[in-house]
Amino acid sequence: TQLLEQSPQFLSIQEGENLTVYCNSSSVFSSLQWYRQEPGEGPVLLVTVVTGGEVKKLKRLTFQFGDARKDSSLHITAAQPGDTGLYLCAGAGVSTSYGKLTFGQGTILTVHP
Amino acid sequence: ETGVTQTPRHLVMGMTNKKSLKCEQHLGHNAMYWYKQSAKKPLELMFVYSLEERVENNSVPSRFSPECPNSSHLFLHLHTLQPEDSALYLCASSQDLLAGGGETQYFGPGTRLLVL
Repeated sequence: TQLLEQSPQFLSIQEGENLTVYCNSSSVFSSLQWYRQEPGEGPVLLVTVVTGGEVKKLKRLTFQFGDARKDSSLHITAAQPGDTGLYLCAGAGVSTSYGKLTFGQGTILTVHP
Repeated sequence: ETGVTQTPRHLVMGMTNKKSLKCEQHLGHNAMYWYKQSAKKPLELMFVYSLEERVENNSVPSRFSPECPNSSHLFLHLHTLQPEDSALYLCASSQDLLAGGGETQYFGPGTRLLVL
């Protein structure tokens, strides 16, 4: 069974601070995705990383896939209240025939003005 | 209307009731999914459909019964549920079955279910 450990589970910071969310596993994933979910809505895909060591940037968000494709991180620079939400990582297994995603338990981020 | 829609958005039911959740995708996708999201637990994949055929039943109790009459619609029929089944039920779709290469899944807003 593939598991994804996400940390921290909760993060409460002031506007302008930087933060990093981690997603770790003992399993190798063929790709890893990051989602953001706001209250009353479903998760929305932010990014997909596929290659070990890959770094992707989305405005103030930087995503990295570990060299061994077992872990990933999401770094937010100068957080804003609009970044508040639940952040989820999800991995697609290397041996998956239909692409089942394994989700982490999520990080609830609150950015205070 | 575009994207993935789910109805109802909220549902309260007793343990002896029978109800159905509906999902509709307007994206022309071939694969659809049901997930359960409970507090402090990772999203749990329940069912996967590809071209209206069920390809995965992830050890879900029989009190949950999915139905996919066509590639645009997905239902989850509920009967004799337990209080621990209270959760947010999310529907998602993707162009084709995820192949490990990072196909994008589009989620609906979910149905918040409370079983009394």
